[in-house]
Amino acid sequence: GQQLNQSPQSMFIQEGEDVSMNCTSSSIFNTWLWYKQEPGEGPVLLIALYKAGELTSNGRLTAQFGITRKDSFLNISASIPSDVGIYFCAGISGGSNYKLTFGKGTLLTVNP
Amino acid sequence: DVKVTQSSRYLVKRTGEKVFLECVQDMDHENMFWYRQDPGLGLRLIYFSYDVKMKEKGDIPEGYSVSREKKERFSLILESASTNQTSMYLCASSLLDRDGSPLHFGNGTRLTVT
Repeated sequence: GQQLNQSPQSMFIQEGEDVSMNCTSSSIFNTWLWYKQEPGEGPVLLIALYKAGELTSNGRLTAQFGITRKDSFLNISASIPSDVGIYFCAGISGGSNYKLTFGKGTLLTVNP
Repeated sequence: DVKVTQSSRYLVKRTGEKVFLECVQDMDHENMFWYRQDPGLGLRLIYFSYDVKMKEKGDIPEGYSVSREKKERFSLILESASTNQTSMYLCASSLLDRDGSPLHFGNGTRLTVT
């Protein structure tokens, strides 16, 4: 089946630093999604990307849909303590949104 | 805003019990999903449904069944709970959309089977 390689697995950063994480796959996706999950909560959608090359921002978050349609990255600028959580990428293929593949997540810790 | 509500945040059940996990969404979404989330294994799809009374197996359906009698409600059933079903269970919903509509998740139910 399809697999997404998400990296890094974890990050420990200082408040104010910028963060970058990415997902790659051997398969092509039509849609890329980025979620954040805080402890004890469900994942919350951060950004959705629908076109190759698309660059979308949501506050301090910026995500891009790779031009090959096989990768995506998420950047967080000027991190703050409440950015702590697990960030997941997800890819949707085949024009049918129940063919959704998740990355294993990046655990972000921000030291004040 | 889409709201996906799972009826219980925490459940403790005994081995062999029949367990019902309930999920309700308020956005008239066609698709509904049940995932389980375990450390190191990520999110794994158990079952999904794209319409009332319709269901499809996901990647790990063994030991589970589902019910969708109304569009807004999707239930996950553990016919005879076992300790290896201790996990975080996440319900999600989305539009039936060829472009790939994002999934919206509930807050999860942490199930412990003793």
